[in-house]
Amino acid sequence: QVPLQESGPGLVKPSQTLSLTCTVSGGSISSGAYFWSWIRHHPGKGLEWIGNIYDSGSTYYNPSLKSRVTISIDTSKNQFSLKMTSVTAADTAVYYCARGDFGEGYFDYWGQGTLVTVSS
Amino acid sequence: DIQMTQSPSSLSASLGDRVTITCQASQDIYTNLNWYQQKPGKAPKLLIYDASNLETGVPSRFSGSGSGTEFTFTISSLQPEDIATYYCQQYDSLPPRYTFGQGTKLEIK
Repeated sequence: QVPLQESGPGLVKPSQTLSLTCTVSGGSISSGAYFWSWIRHHPGKGLEWIGNIYDSGSTYYNPSLKSRVTISIDTSKNQFSLKMTSVTAADTAVYYCARGDFGEGYFDYWGQGTLVTVSS
Repeated sequence: DIQMTQSPSSLSASLGDRVTITCQASQDIYTNLNWYQQKPGKAPKLLIYDASNLETGVPSRFSGSGSGTEFTFTISSLQPEDIATYYCQQYDSLPPRYTFGQGTKLEIK
């Protein structure tokens, strides 16, 4: 088992920056065989991949969000983080952190998810 | 970008029924297709990877098949605990891109 836990504010004002952190337990975030991702679920809609980070620090983002998103990693704390700037109500969603497999492109461990509401 | 079309969007079936969900890709994705189950208030759970491989610990009544652009997910005999929403997910490796289907909400008839 590889428990993941998201943390961060549940309410963000429009135009401000959303910041979330994912803490990984039960194994090193620097395993090399996996990558670390953020995925969100809009209310009543489907799942949307936000981006990946690798223990090398390399990142890949969803092109539709790339201009507003930064994912970073802190291997000393076994954590990775998401920052999304200039948020609007359309960014209201449940945000999940997850572990991804290099070879098969699946997400095998997920955090419980955290609801972030964008509202004034 | 590759688009995934999942159908049906909702499905009502009786306990013991065979249930089938399909996912169509807008271009050839080989077998780069995974299936997840999501229950209300919970994170998605990986069931099938690489189109047809059963994740460890997942009951054998779940199966997947297909390659290229057409994929199928099957529950051979519907159980009460299978009530959930199911998603397909495709991936590109270069550069990494991941797209989910719109989901199929499965209910008991």
